Amino acid sequence: EAGVAQSPRYKIIEKRQSVAFWCNPISGHATLYWYQQILGQGPKLLIQFQNNGVVDDSQLPKDRFSAERLKGVDSTLKIQPAKLEDSAVYLCASSSSSGRANEQFFGPGTRLTVL
Amino acid sequence: QKEVEQNSGPLSVPEGAIASLNCTYSDRGSQSFFWYRQYSGKSPELIMFIYSNGDKEDGRFTAQLNKASQYVSLLIRDSQPSDSATYLCAVTPSGGSYIPTFGRGTSLIVHP
Repeated sequence: EAGVAQSPRYKIIEKRQSVAFWCNPISGHATLYWYQQILGQGPKLLIQFQNNGVVDDSQLPKDRFSAERLKGVDSTLKIQPAKLEDSAVYLCASSSSSGRANEQFFGPGTRLTVL
Repeated sequence: QKEVEQNSGPLSVPEGAIASLNCTYSDRGSQSFFWYRQYSGKSPELIMFIYSNGDKEDGRFTAQLNKASQYVSLLIRDSQPSDSATYLCAVTPSGGSYIPTFGRGTSLIVHP
C-alpha cells in the first residue's frame, strides 16, 4: 500500500513570494490534515478535511494561507505572501477515520525555507 | 488552549536499559493518547495509542495512562541505538473533536 505522497520535498523562496505544496493521501482515507512543524517543536495542525469539506481551520492564518481538497482526494496548501516565520516543515497526514481510533499516517513533508 | 507538555531532553540511556518518557496534559477530559516516533529529518510514525487508565504493552513498548494525574508515559525496554529519535506525545481533547494536540517531543539518545 502506497503511503502519503507530498511534493516538493524542499523549497527555498524569498519573503513575499508565494508557494504551493501538494499532498496525495493513502487511497481510501477520508480525512486529511496539514501540519506545520517548526524546528524543535511538535506538529501544529493548520487544517483538517473530511472528504472535501473543512472540519477545522481555526489555526490556519487565513490572511496568507489557503488550502483546498478538490474531489476529496488530493490537497494543496498555499502560502501567499510568505514570511520568514513560515520556514518550517509542512506535513500532510491522512487517516481512515476522524474518530477515536484516529491513527494518522504522515507523508515525508516539505521543508520550506523563506529567505 | 489545550497544553501537552514534554521535557525536550535529551534523555540519554545506555543500550539495554529502560527509557522512560513522560507527557502531561492540561485537558482533564482528554480522550485518546498517542506516542509517535520521529527520526531526525523524517516524519512522525505511530508507535502506540491508549484510551483507558492503566498499561498497554506492545513488544518492547509500554504506554501507561493515569487520567487522575493527567499524565501518560512511554517505557522502552531493552533500549537499542536504533531507538534514538524524538518521541512525540499527542492528545485528543474532550468535546467531541478528535484532533490531536502534539507536545514538542523528547529527544532520546541510546548510547552503546
